[in-house]
Amino acid sequence: DIVMTQTPSSQAVSAGEKVTMSCKSSQSLLYSENKKNYLAWYQQKPGQSPTLLISWASTRESGVPDRFIGSGSGTDFTLTISSVQAEDLAVYYCEQYYDALWTFGGGTKLELK
Amino acid sequence: EVQLVESGGGLVQPGRSLKLSCVASGFTFSNYGMNWIRQAPGKGLEWVAYISSGRSYIYYAETVKGRFTISRDNAKNTLYLQMTSLRSEDTALYYCARCRTGGDMDVWGQGASVTVSS
Repeated sequence: DIVMTQTPSSQAVSAGEKVTMSCKSSQSLLYSENKKNYLAWYQQKPGQSPTLLISWASTRESGVPDRFIGSGSGTDFTLTISSVQAEDLAVYYCEQYYDALWTFGGGTKLELK
Repeated sequence: EVQLVESGGGLVQPGRSLKLSCVASGFTFSNYGMNWIRQAPGKGLEWVAYISSGRSYIYYAETVKGRFTISRDNAKNTLYLQMTSLRSEDTALYYCARCRTGGDMDVWGQGASVTVSS
């Protein structure tokens, strides 16, 4: 199975700050036939269901603010929030769907400094 | 409105069975693969099972293989998860989620709580 490792596990941030979080997979998520990375990012706010932020490693979902930026390819991926807002405090999960046995990273929790 | 609503959760003793349902509305259910994902209290997300739109492909996490069965009734717009031989470690909030062609999950339900305890 593909193992997804997210770092850091938690991060204290201030409003307006730029934040980056990492997601590494144990094998490449880049499918050679279509040049797509099978990697998604989800946001889960306290007491709520997860919501899809980014698919194909870098494609933002409709309605997701452009301060959320997904990047990376192969085994190394990053989610950047260019200027954190109070409503962004949540846990962020990466997830691979290259291998039909879907796996999630352990999550990165954003907290207020 | 696109929506998924889970039901059937509850308190069950170890070794017993429980069946979850997930009713879809607002989209053509039969066009989408569906996933069950669970989240133990205070923990992260764990994928549980997948079923393709026409039921041709079914996959399970190793932790539930042989004990859980995913199924669907496209005429009723309903996804199911039959859980048997339940263990304390199966205690979690169980979400159903719509799976897009690429495998990402763009619609999630609110979750059904399952507690396995004597």
